[in-house]
Amino acid sequence: GENVEQHPSTLSVQEGDSAVIKCTYSDSASNYFPWYKQELGKGPQLIIDIRSNVGEKKDQRIAVTLNKTAKHFSLHITETQPEDSAVYFCAASRMDTGRRALTFGSGTRLQVQP
Amino acid sequence: DAEITQSPRHKITETGRQVTLACHQTWNHNNMFWYRQDLGHGLRLIHYSYGVQDTNKGEVSDGYSVSRSNTEDLPLTLESAASSQTSVYFCATQGPGDTQYFGPGTRLTVL
Repeated sequence: GENVEQHPSTLSVQEGDSAVIKCTYSDSASNYFPWYKQELGKGPQLIIDIRSNVGEKKDQRIAVTLNKTAKHFSLHITETQPEDSAVYFCAASRMDTGRRALTFGSGTRLQVQP
Repeated sequence: DAEITQSPRHKITETGRQVTLACHQTWNHNNMFWYRQDLGHGLRLIHYSYGVQDTNKGEVSDGYSVSRSNTEDLPLTLESAASSQTSVYFCATQGPGDTQYFGPGTRLTVL
């Protein structure tokens, strides 16, 4: 089955700096890669996703890049703000098959220092 | 607004007891999932369902069962609770665009 590894496990940045979180996946057939943000005491919430036919996607301060050859994808947050502090999870799935469940990375705790 | 709810939000039980966690959604989504979240492991898939009467095992299904008698609900049952099942449990649904929407979670403690 799919295996997703995520690094780093914790990341501390100064407000205004950029943050980068990286994930690798094992199943070359995976074609859907979402990123979730989880705030304390809440369920994960989708912030951005990318499909295997696209190399990069951007939404305001958030961008995701995908390298299918190397089987890794990254989340980039620019101009970080204190409200970006949360746990971030990457995930992978094969959305063109019967099983559509996500395989998650182990999470990155991001702290943005004011 | 459509939503997904879980109950109870917190539960303490004893080893060996049967426990059922409820998940209810009002989106009318066919696909529903149960995950558990443990420190250092992210979210791991327990069971999932693609519609009424359909259930499938995930990676960590031992000791858990689900049933799907209608579109709105996917209850998760721990047949005989064990301390290793102390965790936070999340239910999720999946919409047409493949996005998964998560509930607020249930924190379960097995003593």
